[in-house]
Amino acid sequence: DTAVSQTPKYLVTQMGNDKSIKCEQNLGHDTMYWYKQDSKKFLKIMFSYNNKELIINETVPNRFSPKSPDKAHLNLHINSLELGDSAVYFCASSQGSLGAFFGQGTRLTVV
Amino acid sequence: GENVEQHPSTLSVQEGDSAVIKCTYSDSASNYFPWYKQELGKGPQLIIDIRSNVGEKKDQRIAVTLNKTAKHFSLHITETQPEDSAVYFCAASAGGTSYGKLTFGQGTILTVHP
Repeated sequence: DTAVSQTPKYLVTQMGNDKSIKCEQNLGHDTMYWYKQDSKKFLKIMFSYNNKELIINETVPNRFSPKSPDKAHLNLHINSLELGDSAVYFCASSQGSLGAFFGQGTRLTVV
Repeated sequence: GENVEQHPSTLSVQEGDSAVIKCTYSDSASNYFPWYKQELGKGPQLIIDIRSNVGEKKDQRIAVTLNKTAKHFSLHITETQPEDSAVYFCAASAGGTSYGKLTFGQGTILTVHP
């Protein structure tokens, strides 16, 4: 009964490949997010999305794109992967005035 | 945009001691301040939060204080236990339609020695 679940947990891929990370939340929240945690543990928001609005952090390369098939899912697609994309990616969700609830993370390693 | 500074980066205490982590923020529009605990290999877990209309909030061994004028807020953990060892993050949000849109501090690695 995991609240926010991501797959896969680990992803190792070569430079130049295209990959996707899936996220699902069963909390009934109306807003979902993707965060990136770098090697120094710094957490930074990449996207926030609800059924009305997609807000993109301006520092995120356009190789990254969120796709939401429905309210409970927000997948992250990454094209032409680069070494610098290696990080842990977290999906999160929130509702109203509650803070964000995070998934377990996907550790992406680009070789 | 918002900038959140967190100190110290590492904190080592003996079991039973208190631990204090401090954060400052820059954007006066921020009105929601959560704290997260992240254990190894896991996602950040919300442990306590405070809103700008409140100066202090307590939940068992954990308390948060907020000084809106000075733009700083703190996490206090009393009677620390080894299982409190983790990375702690403060964060700030302007709330509105997106309380989960957070700007995080750099994190504090807390180690509680038995």
